[in-house]
Amino acid sequence: GESVGLHLPTLSVQEGDNSIINCAYSNSASDYFIWYKQESGKGPQFIIDIRSNMDKRQGQRVTVLLNKTVKHLSLQIAATQPGDSAVYFCADFSSNTGKLIFGQGTTLQVKP
Amino acid sequence: NAGVMQNPRHLVRRRGQEARLRCSPMKGHSHVYWYRQLPEEGLKFMVYLQKENIIDESGMPKERFSAEFPKEGPSILRIQQVVRGDSAAYFCASSPGTISGQYFGPGTRLTVT
Repeated sequence: GESVGLHLPTLSVQEGDNSIINCAYSNSASDYFIWYKQESGKGPQFIIDIRSNMDKRQGQRVTVLLNKTVKHLSLQIAATQPGDSAVYFCADFSSNTGKLIFGQGTTLQVKP
Repeated sequence: NAGVMQNPRHLVRRRGQEARLRCSPMKGHSHVYWYRQLPEEGLKFMVYLQKENIIDESGMPKERFSAEFPKEGPSILRIQQVVRGDSAAYFCASSPGTISGQYFGPGTRLTVT
């Protein structure tokens, strides 16, 4: 029979606009958080990470915000480009478990 | 410095056969992780290994699946008597230490016919 998989949330933006991708986590003991980008047919690619004792970190065109009160993480991409089109996953890591737990993922579509 | 390498990239097996997936971590990385990804889903942790030791295999099915990371050579994820439900992308990641980023390989796409 046909199997039905989960449908990832999709964010569609115009080229040049800013994108904001959100993520919720559940483990309050997580030590740090990572955003990964996964293009079709490829493995996840590290984008940026943030320690649990920080609330903001900036990279090149990307900013990660961490709100531990509501267990929320966001990735902001400035001036989104077609090459940014991919699935974005957040992941949280706890040194207690040594495990990286991935969120559901968001598909970013950039319209030219 | 080469990244994490996985082979084969694509593997087709008939039901009941064995699948062996190989992962060579980045140079200097002694921690290896295996994840499984079904279509349209996130990555699910399977097993965490250091050289010659399994640290955490809580995400691995109890039967048919095994993993090793020998002193010499790549890490191997072995699936015996494959079934259609094993069809997925299997990713390996490596890191230099416990509290550090994990870097992923390109994955092995297993198809069971």
